[in-house]
Amino acid sequence: QVQLVQSGAEVKKPGASMKISCKASGYTFTTYYLHWVRQAPGQGPEWMGIINPSGGSTNYAQKFQGRVSMTSDTSTSTVNMELSSLTSEDTAVYYCARDLAYLAPGYWGQGTLVTVSS
Amino acid sequence: QSVLTQPPSASGTPGQRVTISCSGSSSNIGSNTLNWYQQLPGTAPKLLIYSNNQRPSGVPDRFSGSKSGTSASLAISGLQSEDEADYFCAAWDDSLYGYVFGTGTKVTVL
Repeated sequence: QVQLVQSGAEVKKPGASMKISCKASGYTFTTYYLHWVRQAPGQGPEWMGIINPSGGSTNYAQKFQGRVSMTSDTSTSTVNMELSSLTSEDTAVYYCARDLAYLAPGYWGQGTLVTVSS
Repeated sequence: QSVLTQPPSASGTPGQRVTISCSGSSSNIGSNTLNWYQQLPGTAPKLLIYSNNQRPSGVPDRFSGSKSGTSASLAISGLQSEDEADYFCAAWDDSLYGYVFGTGTKVTVL
């Protein structure tokens, strides 16, 4: 079965960078795009971007351009998401998600809580 | 500020039918398919409806989706206590060139 397992919770200082990994299993890694979505406390989900694991092409939400980087490692079936220049507004649960159908993220990781605090 | 607008809340008694609306524009709902998610507290969003009206395997047929023009709706028939959750619509937006989520609707089972 499709599984997305994310790295553990992190606490970061303002101005620092974070990097979250998402290891996929149960399907051919290069066949499906992977999304990154975050959800701040009490807020709705917010799409951050998408990566094609085959080739590594990306499309980032305008809000995060210049501050986010998504990469894929086909040897380990893992995608990584790095976000820099963190502020308290980046405190959120971060999810990776794979499409179930075209542009319909339907398989989700367990989420990674990132807390940004001085 | 989301480009997809939903009512903040909806409610019903067990067995009733509840409908949630999602209003967008020509660049999102008007030109792309619409998805619906259910989110229980402390869990990841669960895809409930995709491509306007398709249910993933395992989703009860009590949940149905429809789309017309730049609006869409999710209907829950035979409301059950376990349906108490937050619901979000989502679609690709051609102007933003990104995937956008709705403002969310909290469904309460009275």
